[in-house]
Amino acid sequence: GNSVTQMEGPVTLSEEAFLTINCTYTATGYPSLFWYVQYPGEGLQLLLKATKADDKGSNKGFEATYRKETTSFHLEKGSVQVSDSAVYFCALSPETSYDKVIFGPGTSLSVIP
Amino acid sequence: SQTIHQWPATLVQPVGSPLSLECTVEGTSNPNLYWYRQAAGRGLQLLFYSVGIGQISSEVPQNLSASRPQDRQFILSSKKLLLSDSGFYLCSAHAGTGELFFGEGSRLTVL
Repeated sequence: GNSVTQMEGPVTLSEEAFLTINCTYTATGYPSLFWYVQYPGEGLQLLLKATKADDKGSNKGFEATYRKETTSFHLEKGSVQVSDSAVYFCALSPETSYDKVIFGPGTSLSVIP
Repeated sequence: SQTIHQWPATLVQPVGSPLSLECTVEGTSNPNLYWYRQAAGRGLQLLFYSVGIGQISSEVPQNLSASRPQDRQFILSSKKLLLSDSGFYLCSAHAGTGELFFGEGSRLTVL
């Protein structure tokens, strides 16, 4: 079946450090891939997405590239800020619309000044 | 764009009491709808999903139930709450582009 594996947290970084959160997936066909972010006390919101192989999603300085050969969608940011402190979820939407979206377990990021 | 309305935002309930959380969706028709639960410091647990009116799939055996009486209305219920039902409940809708839109969540504390 479909699944998403995400690096375990929590991750603590100093401001302006480089961020990588690893995400790999298992799926049949050609799923769409997403990163969601959850700020404290809030619901989830879409951060970026990629719908086909080699697509790069980007938003707010974050980037992730859909790598079909390695079944990965790693999240990166060159210089994190305190305001980036949140929980990040990698997710997969299967090719067929009637299959449920699969989430990774989430990675908690804390950025300290 | 899609908007998810979810209420109540916060509630405190005694063990054994009933529960009803409501979710309505605007900006789309015939969406796939989901209820997730998030325990403190944990990831998302899919509870129910629905691909249409009256069509509910349950992911986890528990004392919760879900109903979809209208195309854009999704309700989470319980007849008797347990302490373990405490958590942050999120309603979401699946857009045609594959991404999920989320409500702001309902924080339930069972005492």
